[in-house]
Amino acid sequence: KNEVEQSPQNLTAQEGEFITINCSYSVGISALHWLQQHPGGGIVSLFMLSSGKKKHGRLIATINIQEKHSSLHITASHPRDSAVYICAGYSGGGADGLTFGKGTHLIIQP
Amino acid sequence: KAGVTQTPRYLIKTRGQQVTLSCSPISGHRSVSWYQQTPGQGLQFLFEYFSETQRNKGNFPGRFSGRQFSNSRSEMNVSTLELGDSALYLCASSLLTTDYGYTFGSGTRLTVV
Repeated sequence: KNEVEQSPQNLTAQEGEFITINCSYSVGISALHWLQQHPGGGIVSLFMLSSGKKKHGRLIATINIQEKHSSLHITASHPRDSAVYICAGYSGGGADGLTFGKGTHLIIQP
Repeated sequence: KAGVTQTPRYLIKTRGQQVTLSCSPISGHRSVSWYQQTPGQGLQFLFEYFSETQRNKGNFPGRFSGRQFSNSRSEMNVSTLELGDSALYLCASSLLTTDYGYTFGSGTRLTVV
């Protein structure tokens, strides 16, 4: 069974700081998702990646398949980035192949 | 284009009752999956439907069931509600291509009293 661990669980930072959220998983996966959840519950898929690095605006996601580790970076953080960030490993076989981390609760203070 | 629509957004039910939640996927998406999110367990996979067939099911009791219609809309049903069923229920739709991505709905928050 794939286990997905995220760190830190909670993170409070000042506006403008560089943010890093880490995700590690115990078994091989074919892809990893980064999700963002704002208060109220709606989830937005930020990235799906299986190798290397992806960038979208101020968000950067990297994955190292050999080390079973992924990171989500936020540059020039802003209070609107405050949300829960969840990583999910996909090991194939349909949606039941998604194993979720517990999430990182990020607060960016002005 | 319209996103994934879940109805209702909020629901309060009494223990022992049953409930039906609805999910309309993005047009053209034939896969719909359902998840339960609670503060203690986080996000957990419930089941997935593709072309009206259940493809996979998570580790939940038989009280949790679902179906998918020919227009890809999906419903999930929970019978004999328990207090522990209080949760945010999310659905996601997907094209099921090799570039496997999901679009999530806003969820239905179910409170069982």
